Amino acid sequence: EIVLTQSPGTLSLSPGERVTLSCRASQSVSSSYLAWYQQKPGQAPRLLIYGASSRATGIPDRFSGSGSGTDFTLTISRLEPEDFAVYYCQQYVRSPLTFGGGTKVEIK
Amino acid sequence: EVQLVESGGGLGKPGGSLRLSCAASGFTFSTYSMNWVRQAPGKGLEWVSSISSSGSYIYYADSVKGRFTISRDNAKNSLYLQMNSLRAEDTAVYYCATGVRGVISWFDPWGQGTLVTVSS
Repeated sequence: EIVLTQSPGTLSLSPGERVTLSCRASQSVSSSYLAWYQQKPGQAPRLLIYGASSRATGIPDRFSGSGSGTDFTLTISRLEPEDFAVYYCQQYVRSPLTFGGGTKVEIK
Repeated sequence: EVQLVESGGGLGKPGGSLRLSCAASGFTFSTYSMNWVRQAPGKGLEWVSSISSSGSYIYYADSVKGRFTISRDNAKNSLYLQMNSLRAEDTAVYYCATGVRGVISWFDPWGQGTLVTVSS
């Protein structure tokens, strides 16, 4: 099983700041089969990034993904008020599909 | 508009059964794999099960293997999760989600979820 570790657990930031979220895998995630999701309270997760760096349809370009192998990053270039949420990474190399524990981005 | 609507959640007793359904619309259901993902209260996301577009390939998390059964009816554009031998730790919101890349995939979109509570 590929274990995904996200850090930090919580980030306290102000609107307008740049944020970098980390997702580290216990084994190499081949072909960059890694996705990122955003989840707001009471809502279902929403796909942001797939293939480590491809933005999903309708996702603003302030969201970007990068990385390969075991280290991946989600960057929000400039936080908007609607970006305060929990972010999860997910690998789809093989079953069992696994998620990271999440990073909460909260308002400072 | 692509839409996934889960139903069938509610209160189940330990050792009991529940059957979840997911009604799909707005896309060609029979050409996509489908998945169940759950989220315990205040916790993160946990993948539960995946089924290929034809139903020929099925995967389960170890935590539910032997107790849960995923199935689909392409004629009815519906996905199901039969949950038997329920445990307290199965308490969660259960989401159905479409697999984009095949049976092992990222998920997009997701339904709004249905809450399952296991308690005596």
